[in-house]
Amino acid sequence: GAVVSQHPSWVICKSGTSVKIECRSLDFQATTMFWYRQFPKQSLMLMATSNEGSKATYEQGVEKDKFLINHASLTLSTLTVTSAHPEDSSFYICSAGLGQFPYEQYFGPGTRLTVT
Amino acid sequence: QKEVEQNSGPLSVPEGAIASLNCTYSDRGSQSFFWYRQYSGKSPELIMSIYSNGDKEDGRFTAQLNKASQYVSLLIRDSQPSDSATYLCAVIENGNNRKLIWGLGTSLAVNP
Repeated sequence: GAVVSQHPSWVICKSGTSVKIECRSLDFQATTMFWYRQFPKQSLMLMATSNEGSKATYEQGVEKDKFLINHASLTLSTLTVTSAHPEDSSFYICSAGLGQFPYEQYFGPGTRLTVT
Repeated sequence: QKEVEQNSGPLSVPEGAIASLNCTYSDRGSQSFFWYRQYSGKSPELIMSIYSNGDKEDGRFTAQLNKASQYVSLLIRDSQPSDSATYLCAVIENGNNRKLIWGLGTSLAVNP
């Protein structure tokens, strides 16, 4: 149980275009989903927390107009990187949280974004 | 500033030995604690959660929690080369958002 999928697993796009990444909890309902970014050999960095049906909460320094998050249902959250630039190239990972204590989070396999 | 601290390693153990990974946290009010494993280029995988003082065992893994000392550990028995990875300690931040506060991870190498 507790499986989270992400799509696509990798994407290459041109600078200035937008990319949408989907995160789905396959066998449980996730009221809260989290989006992370990880650069090579660096730690996970939380970008935002999204709750179903409400606006996402962004971490300090993360541009909410650039990284659009939508959590339309209890099993689906999307991250859209708008007007992507080469510096946005990174490994984007979502996690979905169980709604009951101890609030375990399960991670998707990640999306590797390369902006050329 | 709420913090989770781990030794970065690398921790090197021979195959078949016990690997011991340690973590301390600063927020005394924390309630839930997690160990994740991350292979290079992959996303984190939950190994175990723990929230009561004492030991919790799952197969070759044992998590230990001591809230008085604000200390969490993970023991891996009969270590295998496939256990070579970065082990991340995480703590739920008190509050409504339930986001995780992460340690920087300990790199474990199990040598055949």
